[in-house]
Amino acid sequence: AQSVTQPDIHITVSEGASLELRCNYSYGATPYLFWYVQSPGQGLQLLLKYFSGDTLVQGIKGFEAEFKRSQSSFNLRKPSVHWSDAAEYFCAVGARSGAGSYQLTFGKGTKLSVIP
Amino acid sequence: DADVTQTPRNRITKTGKRIMLECSQTKGHDRMYWYRQDPGLGLRLIYYSFDVKDINKGEISDGYSVSRQAQAKFSLSLESAIPNQTALYFCATSDLGVNTNTGELFFGEGSRLTVL
Repeated sequence: AQSVTQPDIHITVSEGASLELRCNYSYGATPYLFWYVQSPGQGLQLLLKYFSGDTLVQGIKGFEAEFKRSQSSFNLRKPSVHWSDAAEYFCAVGARSGAGSYQLTFGKGTKLSVIP
Repeated sequence: DADVTQTPRNRITKTGKRIMLECSQTKGHDRMYWYRQDPGLGLRLIYYSFDVKDINKGEISDGYSVSRQAQAKFSLSLESAIPNQTALYFCATSDLGVNTNTGELFFGEGSRLTVL
């Protein structure tokens, strides 16, 4: 079964600083990889996804992520953080089975705080 | 209107009561999911359904049941609610099929349940 690890529970950065949120996954084949963001009191919004092709993917709100198969990682980056980026970020891995089953497994999340 | 609608958005109930959370979607997706979110634990899959005749248990199905009344409707029931079922519950849909590869889940805005 697949699993996702987000090593950082809480990160605090200054507005304008760069950001990298870490995500490591465990899965035997090429996974579908996702980053979702959850603002306080809101549902989950997809930031970006990877399932094939270019390993550097661009998402909404200026975010990008790079799939590194050798490191089983899919880290999320943003060059300059805005106060509105304060939220909780979830990495997820999707995996198919031969029977056509598909599940999305989430990491435990990283809460981002932004200092003005 | 939201593509994935959950009702109620907030509910407070007492131990032992039966509770139903409802989910409806206008995306035309076959696959629907119920997740539970707890602080520090991320999202955990309760049940999922790939069509009206297909219901599958997720990793934490004990104490829950589901009903897929139609392609667009998927409800979650707590037959006898207990305090440790206090959580934020999310319904999601997916368009992943035999010939599609996106794997993205589309989430409702969540239903906050408090069991006293």
